[in-house]
Amino acid sequence: DQQVKQNSPSLSVQEGRISILNCDYTNSMFDYFLWYKKYPAEGPTFLISISSIKDKNEDGRFTVFLNKSAKHLSLHIVPSQPGDSAVYFCAASVAGNTGKLIFGQGTTLQVKP
Amino acid sequence: DAEITQSPRHKITETGRQVTLACHQTWNHNNMFWYRQDLGHGLRLIHYSYGVQDTNKGEVSDGYSVSRSNTEDLPLTLESAASSQTSVYFCASSGSLLTGELFFGEGSRLTVL
Repeated sequence: DQQVKQNSPSLSVQEGRISILNCDYTNSMFDYFLWYKKYPAEGPTFLISISSIKDKNEDGRFTVFLNKSAKHLSLHIVPSQPGDSAVYFCAASVAGNTGKLIFGQGTTLQVKP
Repeated sequence: DAEITQSPRHKITETGRQVTLACHQTWNHNNMFWYRQDLGHGLRLIHYSYGVQDTNKGEVSDGYSVSRSNTEDLPLTLESAASSQTSVYFCASSGSLLTGELFFGEGSRLTVL
């Protein structure tokens, strides 16, 4: 059973517009959430994270929103740039962060010039 | 610069053979992890280690083993490779489990025929 789900396999947006990537989870014990970005033939790289005590965290063009009641988080990228084209994984962990992450399936973002 | 390296990057082997994937990091991180990436599943945790002589099973550990004899290395061994173990394998390390940031290697693509 997939505890972290990214239901959209792909997303295409125009350069300069907002990209919204979504993630749902089922385990109410998750209390730390992360987004990773992955380019082809490279390993994932950490993008941004949020603790369950917050509902929003910003880092430059990237903002993560957490809705605990809906068990939903989203990553907003504003403005989107062609270099943002990659696979985005959301991940969750229990009991703080132990490094034992549960990943979603990933969403491929394409930003068109 | 400190880094994490995996070898080999690509390997083809036959069913039943023993295979070892190497992972070496120069950050002096205590925490190391092995994940596999498969279509539709995202990344799944195989084994992890929080320090020398410490190893733990992850979500999908059957058919895999690891050993941690020093801080820098966490080799992953497939005792008897199976076609179901065809995948891309990622090693990761972390110096602190509080930030949630794992540093991933570039991956090892394994094909079992």
